[in-house]
Amino acid sequence: EVQVVESGGGLAQPGRSLRLSCVGSGFTFDDYSMHWVRQAPGKGLEWVSAITWNGDNVGYADSVKGRFTISRDNPRNSLYLQMHSLRVEDTAIYYCAKDNRHGLDVWGQGTTVTVSS
Amino acid sequence: AIQMTQSPLSLSASVGDRVTITCRASQNIRDALGWYQQKPGKAPKFLISDASSLQSGVPSRFSGSGSGTDFSLTISSLQPEDFATYYCLQDYSYPWTFGQGTKVEVK
Repeated sequence: EVQVVESGGGLAQPGRSLRLSCVGSGFTFDDYSMHWVRQAPGKGLEWVSAITWNGDNVGYADSVKGRFTISRDNPRNSLYLQMHSLRVEDTAIYYCAKDNRHGLDVWGQGTTVTVSS
Repeated sequence: AIQMTQSPLSLSASVGDRVTITCRASQNIRDALGWYQQKPGKAPKFLISDASSLQSGVPSRFSGSGSGTDFSLTISSLQPEDFATYYCLQDYSYPWTFGQGTKVEVK
């Protein structure tokens, strides 16, 4: 079964850091770009970041640029999102998603990040 | 960043109705647009890629059209399982951007 599973969410204080992880299985992980998408409580989807198969090209939403860093470890089938200088408005469910070159075809169940003092 | 404007933001419809949702891009994105369905408490589901290509396993009552800046998602005959929120997503250039979402509710 093709799937991705996120972990690493939790409660963090404003200004602190958190690292999210995503493990892919059932597909050749290093063949695909990978993405992070988030959804604040009661709000719509927001694209956060993406990384190409070899990590050579990355992209970020303006709202996280300079604070979040996406990376991957292909031998471990793993995707990461390092989040620094967290803000209350970063509170959301964070989804990892696989890019099949035409869109995001496989999504995880999400991991919840809560930023609060 | 490219802005995606969806309309309507919500609609009420009955089973069997034909429903159309539109998405407008702030600049030409060719056919680099996807549609996603999300039900409460669930991850989004990929419906349509490249503006009009139905993903495997998605019922044929779903269809997409458009290119350039104007796009639409049509459900030809709404079924009970189609009540959900629908999002467009441009994948033309980073940063990718979603539309605000359209909630399809029971009339």
